[in-house]
Amino acid sequence: EAQVTQNPRYLITVTGKKLTVTCSQNMNHEYMSWYRQDPGLGLRQIYYSMNVEVTDKGDVPEGYKVSRKEKRNFPLILESPSPNQTSLYFCASSLGLAVNEQFFGPGTRLTVL
Amino acid sequence: EDQVTQSPEALRLQEGESSSLNCSYTVSGLRGLFWYRQDPGKGPEFLFTLYSAGEEKEKERLKATLTKKESFLHITAPKPEDSATYLCAFNTGRRALTFGSGTRLQVQP
Repeated sequence: EAQVTQNPRYLITVTGKKLTVTCSQNMNHEYMSWYRQDPGLGLRQIYYSMNVEVTDKGDVPEGYKVSRKEKRNFPLILESPSPNQTSLYFCASSLGLAVNEQFFGPGTRLTVL
Repeated sequence: EDQVTQSPEALRLQEGESSSLNCSYTVSGLRGLFWYRQDPGKGPEFLFTLYSAGEEKEKERLKATLTKKESFLHITAPKPEDSATYLCAFNTGRRALTFGSGTRLQVQP
């Protein structure tokens, strides 16, 4: 089954404790992206990647890091999480440069205390 | 600054009661207007892409239309399973989509 998977689905952590949210897709997509979704603000892009070793900032990259060492994986790293990073996070992928029709993962709900 | 606004924020319909959701935008260099559906606890699911004014796309009870300033998602004779949040988004040529805040639709039997 074609899908985007994220782990963990739920995470409660404390300020400053480094964490990684994994994202993997099995569709051989070149483009991958991370979004955060907050009430009243909609989906905002954090980082994206056009291909292996090619990443770039989205609209809200502060406090986040990403890497793209393999085509299928695009982990999101929070080196020192803060409470304002409490949010619902989505990973997405799409074929080639077709950023329009993105396939989204199920989401990771992160709470930073 | 490119912006997209969705209205209403929430809409409650009776089963079979047709209505429309609005997505108005001020975007320079629009390269596509998109509609996604999001069910509670899930990621958005792609519905439609519209590229030029006058274009229409249909899928079951949903029809999306586009003018130079706004897009409408028309829902004809909705069913309870159409209940979801509907998101519109645009692409201005950056490698990203900019999403609106969404319209929460509830269809009551």
